[in-house]
Amino acid sequence: DAKTTQPPSMDCAEGRAANLPCNHSTISGNEYVYWYRQIHSQGPQYIIHGLKNNETNEMASLIITEDRKSSTLILPHATLRDTAVYYCIVRAQDSSYKLIFGSGTRLLVRP
Amino acid sequence: GAVVSQHPSRVICKSGTSVKIECRSLDFQATTMFWYRQFPKQSLMLMATSNEGSKATYEQGVEKDKFLINHASLTLSTLTVTSAHPEDSSFYICSAKTGQGADGYTFGSGTRLTVV
Repeated sequence: DAKTTQPPSMDCAEGRAANLPCNHSTISGNEYVYWYRQIHSQGPQYIIHGLKNNETNEMASLIITEDRKSSTLILPHATLRDTAVYYCIVRAQDSSYKLIFGSGTRLLVRP
Repeated sequence: GAVVSQHPSRVICKSGTSVKIECRSLDFQATTMFWYRQFPKQSLMLMATSNEGSKATYEQGVEKDKFLINHASLTLSTLTVTSAHPEDSSFYICSAKTGQGADGYTFGSGTRLTVV
């Protein structure tokens, strides 16, 4: 499975954009990048996923570099409720479709 | 959207007893479900992949005789922690793949197991 590398922690001010980076330099051509977040003591929540093109939904935007070796999750207007651990995951290549979680980024949104 | 219900949300059991955790897909059929374990301040660790109608596939280092997984229907997978010990105390989370291709995965709300 392709590994991902994320900074252990970040913070941003409420109302500002939060940009969370992820490196996945060993990603294969048919592997998707998924982003999930986990608020304390809850199950992970799906945010967004993409393959090559940039993606946007009601929660966030996903920017994937042209070489696909890194991506950035953007929360355009962070709120206090966005404080969570954010996981960037590259889906396994084999048919098991396993999601293997890395250590994630702990995002703290400051008032 | 796809919903996965996990029950119970928290359980306390005595050392040596067994505990069953249920994971149900409420509005879709899940041929594949996943079980994770999470210790405090750590990431989720995949324990096993549960396949409907067949044996589960366990990750390396996970004892299959201790963590029994049954996926007898398209909407229910269960994880039984047998002969639980205090070191089994953890947050257990299930997940289901919601469709084909690049579809997402839906997670349950987790079960906090405390073995005393």
